[in-house]
Amino acid sequence: NAGVMQNPRHLVRRRGQEARLRCSPMKGHSHVYWYRQLPEEGLKFMVYLQKENIIDESGMPKERFSAEFPKEGPSILRIQQVVRGDSAAYFCASSPLASWDNEQFFGPGTRLTVL
Amino acid sequence: AQSVTQPDIHITVSEGASLELRCNYSYGATPYLFWYVQSPGQGLQLLLKYFSGDTLVQGIKGFEAEFKRSQSSFNLRKPSVHWSDAAEYFCAVGVHNYGQNFVFGPGTRLSVLP
Repeated sequence: NAGVMQNPRHLVRRRGQEARLRCSPMKGHSHVYWYRQLPEEGLKFMVYLQKENIIDESGMPKERFSAEFPKEGPSILRIQQVVRGDSAAYFCASSPLASWDNEQFFGPGTRLTVL
Repeated sequence: AQSVTQPDIHITVSEGASLELRCNYSYGATPYLFWYVQSPGQGLQLLLKYFSGDTLVQGIKGFEAEFKRSQSSFNLRKPSVHWSDAAEYFCAVGVHNYGQNFVFGPGTRLSVLP
């Protein structure tokens, strides 16, 4: 059973471009979480999704950021019109159920650099 | 609001020495507490967790942590550090929202001297 997959692992964008980050959860996992890690900081929760639904987006910036988890395919975190402050590592995690008895498994992250 | 502090940004220990990484939390209810390790360029791996019961919990790779409610602490310990333990360590509180959201501390970077 492969772990959580994220691609690309590294992404370079110029200011004003769009960034699309993909996350494939572990097989059988229908709950996906996105986190952002700014340099020298811990991870900050962004959004929690189940298949085709956004459950909690309280950590998402109000503008330029969006996330989806379609019925088929990976979860996508989309950042429009990127700015230098968006440079960070973006991690997704997945779990089979929204229960603390179920471990949340993290992917290796996508490191976004905005020039 | 929930918060997690890790007072030590960077710790250096010699291989074979004992280790203690500090973690303090602020949370209104009974906390779910976690320690994760992040190796360079990798995602986070769960070391151990505390929900209830015995306040001393054992984890993987020889790590343990002790929950002290009176001190709002959940310190991570290892009796003898190996060079492969060099990594970033994050303490986290599980937040009871819609799902399994974490509030992470800023992390402690561990360096191990040969």
